Formats: sequence, C-alpha cells, structure tokens
Amino acid sequence: SQKIEQNSEALNIQEGKTATLTCNYTNYSPAYLQWYRQDPGRGPVFLLLIRENEKEKRKERLKVTFDTTLKQSLFHITASQPADSATYLCALANSGGSNYKLTFGKGTLLTVNP
Amino acid sequence: ETGVTQSPTHLIKTRGQQVTLRCSSQSGHNTVSWYQQALGQGPQFIFQYYREEENGRGNFPPRFSGLQFPNYSSELNVNALELDDSALYLCASSSGGSGEKLFFGSGTQLSVL
Repeated sequence: SQKIEQNSEALNIQEGKTATLTCNYTNYSPAYLQWYRQDPGRGPVFLLLIRENEKEKRKERLKVTFDTTLKQSLFHITASQPADSATYLCALANSGGSNYKLTFGKGTLLTVNP
Repeated sequence: ETGVTQSPTHLIKTRGQQVTLRCSSQSGHNTVSWYQQALGQGPQFIFQYYREEENGRGNFPPRFSGLQFPNYSSELNVNALELDDSALYLCASSSGGSGEKLFFGSGTQLSVL
C-alpha cells in the first residue's frame, strides 16, 4: 500500500542549530514533493516544492533534497529560531492522471528552544 | 495571510445532521480543493473542483459532496454526520496547473456530538 512517513512526530532542537526533518514514501512515483508549515489552529502554508528531476532546492534558510532512489526527502532549517517552531508537513503528488491530489504525511512538530 | 477565507470558523453539530462549509478562493485561482484533517494527522484529500466541475475525488463516501460557483468559491456539504467526521476542514485554492502550490484557508473546525 502507499505510505508517506515523516519519521519523527516531534523534534526538539536548540536555537541556532540546523533542524533536519525526514519524509519517506513507498509505492509512489511522485511528480513532485512539497513542504508546508502549519501553526496551531491555522491552515498549512506552502514553503518549497521540488520536482522528481531535481536534487535540491533552497530558499533563504530552508533547503530541501529529494532522492527518488532512496524514496526520501530531507527538509533542513539552518540557524533555527524559536519562531520556526511549528508542524512541518510533507506532501507529494503522483505522476500521471492523479497529480491534482496532494497526499500529506502526518507532520513533524518542531520545537526550537531559546 | 492567503486570500482564502472559510466560514464558519467553528461549528458544532449532532450526529445525523447535515452541514455546509464555505470557501472563497484567492483572486485569480480557478481550482479549489477540500481536505479533512483529524487531530494529529495530516490533511486528507476529499475532492477538487476546477471551473465548476469535480476534477478528482479521494476516498470519501458520497455523503461528502461539493459545489463550485462561477466566481470559483466553493461549498462542502456533508450529510448524515457521524462522530468520526469531527475534524478541521481545509479549503485550498490554486491556479490549477500541475505542481501548483496550494493556498489554504484557516479551516472550519467541525465537532459532531
């Protein structure tokens, strides 16, 4: 069966360190993968998209990698700040006719301690 | 803040009742997707509307139905509410292309008693 797993339900790090979140998938052929941030009581907010033929994307302090052989994406926040504390969701869309549908992982709750 | 607005923000219903949730999409977006997010879970795809037609559907029963209007706003209707329907219902708009990022509203928190 198809699965998306974000390996840590919760991650606690010290301010200034790099947070690394993991997203693994099975039985998908993703056309692209997206990362979202969700704060309590709010809808997810788009952060980054990476396509199947891309290895890495960066945006300010954020970096995403995508390894279709390992079936894994890593999401990094460098120089983390307490304001980065939130739940981070990965989501992917299959290639082919159903690429309108995003399938989300459960999310990883990141807490950055001052 | 996205330009996607949802109403109401909170709703309490009893089992067996019907509910209608509303969503106004961001200006310029012609596609609306609805997601259900249970506590501690990621959002689950319900269906998507593109130019007033259902464009795809997730694994939800027919008592979940929707509409999209000419101004691209949308409604989600749920009939015969069950306790397990209690969740955050999220609407997301996009411009409809493959790989487009989604702009989510803040959601409607539905509690079924």
